[in-house]
Amino acid sequence: AQTVTQSQPEMSVQEAETVTLSCTYDTSESNYYLFWYKQPPSRQMILVIRQEAYKQQNATENRFSVNFQKAAKSFSLKISDSQLGDTAMYFCAFKPEGSQGNLIFGKGTKLSVKP
Amino acid sequence: GAGVSQSPRYKVTKRGQDVALRCDPISGHVSLYWYRQALGQGPEFLTYFNYEAQQDKSGLPNDRFSAERPEGSISTLTIQRTEQRDSAMYRCASSLGGVGYTFGSGTRLTVV
Repeated sequence: AQTVTQSQPEMSVQEAETVTLSCTYDTSESNYYLFWYKQPPSRQMILVIRQEAYKQQNATENRFSVNFQKAAKSFSLKISDSQLGDTAMYFCAFKPEGSQGNLIFGKGTKLSVKP
Repeated sequence: GAGVSQSPRYKVTKRGQDVALRCDPISGHVSLYWYRQALGQGPEFLTYFNYEAQQDKSGLPNDRFSAERPEGSISTLTIQRTEQRDSAMYRCASSLGGVGYTFGSGTRLTVV
């Protein structure tokens, strides 16, 4: 079975500093997609960043970047220059390529950015 | 529409009642997904559709749960004879069939 593990239930960071959220996954698939979603108090589910497993280059979106280690099945999210608006739950998710089925989510990490 | 719309936003129902949760996906989106998110947990897959065809319902917890998408657009998730353990956030997402999922804001269901 494919699983996604987020080992940090809660984290906090000072405004303007950098924080890294961890995610590991278990799969026998060779091609797949990995995602980080943000869920702020507004309850929306917002895509932060996406990585295709066949791409060696780590994805980057402005202040958000990932460290994708395929052999280690690790997919961490780095948030640089943290802002108060980054306070949210962050979910890591996995989807096998070619499958039109569901996303598999981790349990989430609650991030608090402190002024 | 501009986004995925779910209604109602909140639903409180008495144990034993039936509830119907609605999802209006982005216009033209082929695939529609239902997830359930318990407090403090990540979303868990329930079922999904391509057009009007239900492709996978393996995540539906039992036969009290059903979903339909009769015209390939709006979908309804129905829970019959609700129980307290059904209390959760129910989320809908849609996509063009690739990996560009757009989630709705969810329906918070409370069974009392």
